[in-house]
Amino acid sequence: DSGVTQTPKHLITATGQRVTLRCSPRSGDLSVYWYQQSLDQGLQFLIQYYNGEERAKGNILERFSAQQFPDLHSELNLSSLELGDSALYFCASSVLPGKTGNTIYFGEGSWLTVV
Amino acid sequence: QQQVKQSPQSLIVQKGGISIINCAYENTAFDYFPWYQQFPGKGPALLIAIRPDVSEKKEGRFTISFNKSAKQFSLHIMDSQPGDSATYFCAAGGRDDKIIFGKGTRLHILP
Repeated sequence: DSGVTQTPKHLITATGQRVTLRCSPRSGDLSVYWYQQSLDQGLQFLIQYYNGEERAKGNILERFSAQQFPDLHSELNLSSLELGDSALYFCASSVLPGKTGNTIYFGEGSWLTVV
Repeated sequence: QQQVKQSPQSLIVQKGGISIINCAYENTAFDYFPWYQQFPGKGPALLIAIRPDVSEKKEGRFTISFNKSAKQFSLHIMDSQPGDSATYFCAAGGRDDKIIFGKGTRLHILP
């Protein structure tokens, strides 16, 4: 158990809908990362937050947004869902950002199926 | 833009053999190269990592070899065991806080 908690574990929704994925980082970790995993694209970095502020941005679509709250949990909002958004979404956390060699710990992921 | 290229996509190795997975990167600003191991239904977990100031790092049966001039690094699993069957991701990171992953290698060790 990495200590990173993600909910829900599985989610099925229709195209055009909006969903929210939730992540609680490891105790003491200030930085949260979101990744999307699909069969053909591997692990794609979406976005990173540190202590409530956006720190780095990757290949995140404009239909997607995220935030980190004062209690350090994070939410990833996916809207206007398309079939191609079906994937496994991982949250990860680490103690500090920007420190090379900083181990990031992954949750077990949220499976999103868009039908 | 794929900044970390990983090969092969899948690999089958006999028990006791050596598994080798290769990665190449483009961004010379990368200065941290971890390998993650992922079992089905689980999130990736850090296996071993290396910095570019060393050419090799060994932890048990797992070794990273690093070639800075070629911008390549590889994972060697010695005496591969069925329990090593998993998906392996190489990654690279730098001061911009992003950890960029390769597309993964599905390793299957035959018993």
